[in-house]
Amino acid sequence: GNSVTQMEGPVTLSEEAFLTINCTYTATGYPSLFWYVQYPGEGLQLLLKATKADDKGSNKGFEATYRKETTSFHLEKGSVQVSDSAVYFCAPNDYKLSFGAGTTVTVRA
Amino acid sequence: EAQVTQNPRYLITVTGKKLTVTCSQNMNHEYMSWYRQDPGLGLRQIYYSMNVEVTDKGDVPEGYKVSRKEKRNFPLILESPSPNQTSLYFCASSLIVAGRTGELFFGEGSRLTVL
Repeated sequence: GNSVTQMEGPVTLSEEAFLTINCTYTATGYPSLFWYVQYPGEGLQLLLKATKADDKGSNKGFEATYRKETTSFHLEKGSVQVSDSAVYFCAPNDYKLSFGAGTTVTVRA
Repeated sequence: EAQVTQNPRYLITVTGKKLTVTCSQNMNHEYMSWYRQDPGLGLRQIYYSMNVEVTDKGDVPEGYKVSRKEKRNFPLILESPSPNQTSLYFCASSLIVAGRTGELFFGEGSRLTVL
């Protein structure tokens, strides 16, 4: 099956700092890849996705590129805000899938 | 509005008292799944369903049952809850496209405490 290895947190940043969360995948075939975000007290929601190699997903200033050569889907944002404080999860599209702990990001004003 | 609805959102119960957490989606999704979220252990899959009458175990199915009699509903049943089932539970659903799941839509969560 498919799996991902995601950078462990927690990550603490100041506002306007650059954020990178590493995610690498192991796949049989070519899965779609997703980043989900969980804000405090809420369920997960889709942040962005990419369905094939070299696709770039983007949303809310976040970007991630599906790189087949490095089997990676790293999440980046150039200038974070306090409102970006959340837990971030990288995931492939699999029926049987546990998400792991995700990466907790705290942005300080 | 497209949504996944879970009930109850909060529940405190006692050991051994059967309970059901309901999950309903209005998007005609084939795939539905249950997860529990615990500090340090992340979000772990309990059961999933590919369609009506098709269910399968996730990573932590012990102590839980599910059913999928209708496409929109996927209840999680705790026949005899124990304190180690105290957790935050999430239901999710998705279309199945070309044999794979798509974007997962999550409910708001159900916080269960078993005393």
